[in-house]
Amino acid sequence: DVKVTQSSRYLVKRTGEKVFLECVQDMDHENMFWYRQDPGLGLRLIYFSYDVKMKEKGDIPEGYSVSREKKERFSLILESASTNQTSMYLCASGAAGPEYNEQFFGPGTRLTVL
Amino acid sequence: AQSVTQLDSQVPVFEEAPVELRCNYSSSVSVYLFWYVQYPNQGLQLLLKYLSGSTLVKGINGFEAEFNKSQTSFHLRKPSVHISDTAEYFCAVIVPGAGSYQLTFGKGTKLSVIP
Repeated sequence: DVKVTQSSRYLVKRTGEKVFLECVQDMDHENMFWYRQDPGLGLRLIYFSYDVKMKEKGDIPEGYSVSREKKERFSLILESASTNQTSMYLCASGAAGPEYNEQFFGPGTRLTVL
Repeated sequence: AQSVTQLDSQVPVFEEAPVELRCNYSSSVSVYLFWYVQYPNQGLQLLLKYLSGSTLVKGINGFEAEFNKSQTSFHLRKPSVHISDTAEYFCAVIVPGAGSYQLTFGKGTKLSVIP
């Protein structure tokens, strides 16, 4: 059974803290993604990675960075958390290929920044 | 660039009644289309997808969707809903091709099934 896990389901941090959100997949997928989900806005892509140490900006990368040192792990970093980064964060992974391959999602991390 | 519009943010429906969740897209090129479901406190799960071929696509849990190119729509339907269908549903598109990664999502439709 395919599996994408995220390190925390709920996280509470203070403004200015450095925050790490971790995502691990066990499907040997090349592609990994970080999305942010907000009520009434749907899912918006923050960053994605198509290989180890490779990354591409999505639609809303400001205030975030990412790290992919191993194929199975993709980290989202908030260098200095702010209250407007309070949100649900979803990680996904998918195989590479000539066309499209399905993205599999983790359960999400609900981050609250106080 | 492509975009997705889900016309209803919330849809209440009685148990065993039919339901249609509407999705329209905008794109200057051909796209692949998807419906995802998110149950409370869970991640997204793929319900169904249209890549090519028959315009009527059947998915899991009794859902189906019809691709209408002339109306640029991909509406999701179920003839008889259950309480367990209460969830948020997202329509998404992607432009197919080598190196194609980015899904564009609609803002979601919350389906509430009333007993």
